[in-house]
Amino acid sequence: GAVVSQHPSRVICKSGTSVKIECRSLDFQATTMFWYRQFPKQSLMLMATSNEGSKATYEQGVEKDKFLINHASLTLSTLTVTSAHPEDSSFYICSAKRSLAGKNQQYFGPGTRLTVT
Amino acid sequence: GENVEQHPSTLSVQEGDSAVIKCTYSDSASNYFPWYKQELGKGPQLIIDIRSNVGEKKDQRIAVTLNKTAKHFSLHITETQPEDSAVYFCAASIGNSGYALNFGKGTSLLVTP
Repeated sequence: GAVVSQHPSRVICKSGTSVKIECRSLDFQATTMFWYRQFPKQSLMLMATSNEGSKATYEQGVEKDKFLINHASLTLSTLTVTSAHPEDSSFYICSAKRSLAGKNQQYFGPGTRLTVT
Repeated sequence: GENVEQHPSTLSVQEGDSAVIKCTYSDSASNYFPWYKQELGKGPQLIIDIRSNVGEKKDQRIAVTLNKTAKHFSLHITETQPEDSAVYFCAASIGNSGYALNFGKGTSLLVTP
């Protein structure tokens, strides 16, 4: 199956600092990647759709100036949490859309656990 | 936004028994319905998916059925094994393009030996 990696897997930062999370598709090119957020024992909530070479599309209620997304290549999307606060602590998961034989599938990364102290 | 309802929230079965998880969706434009398995502290893993032009799909012990008229789809796991224990999420595409997904709330499956 397709492989998607995330880095770092865990990060602890102080309140007010910024954190960058990388999402890479390792064995396929992804023009579209997605960023999700998951709180403990809850479902995944879509934050934004990241499109290579263009601006990300954010879901309602997600602050685009706080969660900066850059999709500069066909294999890399980054999410930067700016001026992080404790309420931003969560599990952030990216996914990448792979198109194969005319069909699209989404493959998820392993997630990044962000803790803001 | 459009919702995906998933039931049950928890499911406990004995090894060898079957497990069924059901989901309903409200977006009539949804045309792609994947199922993911998530183990603790890991990202979701795609286990099977179905598109709106078919009613059933099977892959070894796992099968998915789709009823577009009723807007519901189900995951069936036969001959369950302890390693099947995990949280399972159903999802439905948001509309019919882009493949952003709306997820159900998840089902915690426990398979006891």
